Amino acid sequence: DQQVKQNSPSLSVQEGRISILNCDYTNSMFDYFLWYKKYPAEGPTFLISISSIKDKNEDGRFTVFLNKSAKHLSLHIVPSQPGDSAVYFCAASAYSSGTYKYIFGTGTRLKVLA
Amino acid sequence: NAGVTQTPKFRVLKTGQSMTLLCAQDMNHEYMYWYRQDPGMGLRLIHYSVGEGTTAKGEVPDGYNVSRLKKQNFLLGLESAAPSQTSVYFCASTPDGQGASYTFGSGTRLTVV
Repeated sequence: DQQVKQNSPSLSVQEGRISILNCDYTNSMFDYFLWYKKYPAEGPTFLISISSIKDKNEDGRFTVFLNKSAKHLSLHIVPSQPGDSAVYFCAASAYSSGTYKYIFGTGTRLKVLA
Repeated sequence: NAGVTQTPKFRVLKTGQSMTLLCAQDMNHEYMYWYRQDPGMGLRLIHYSVGEGTTAKGEVPDGYNVSRLKKQNFLLGLESAAPSQTSVYFCASTPDGQGASYTFGSGTRLTVV
């Protein structure tokens, strides 16, 4: 059973417009959420995170929103740029057995059209 | 500064063969992890280590073994490869166990025929 779901496998957006990537989770014990970006033939790289005590976190063009009651988070990219084209993974974590364990979603492939 | 290096980058194995994937990091990180990525699935944790000489099971440990004899190296072994182990394997390390400080390797694409 997938605890972290990204229901849109792909998304295409025009350059300059907003990209919205969504992520849903089922486990209410998750207390920290992250987004990673992955280019082909590379490992994922950390993009932005949010703690469960917040509902919004911004970093430049990237904003993550968290709705705990709906168990939903979203990543907004404004304005979208062609270099943002990549696969985006959301991840949720809970502390267990001496370390944080991260459950990843299946990823959304974003294509930003010039 | 190489970061996290995975060896090999590609490999084709026959069913029943064994192999070891090497992950090496030069950042003096305490925590190291092995994940696998399959189509339609997120990255799934196979095994992890919270320090030299320690290992622990993740979500999908069956069919794999690991060792962390040196702090900088985390080895993933397949004793008898199966087609279900065809996947892309990623190693990651972090100094503090925090996801925001993960450094991932570029992956090993393994095909078992």
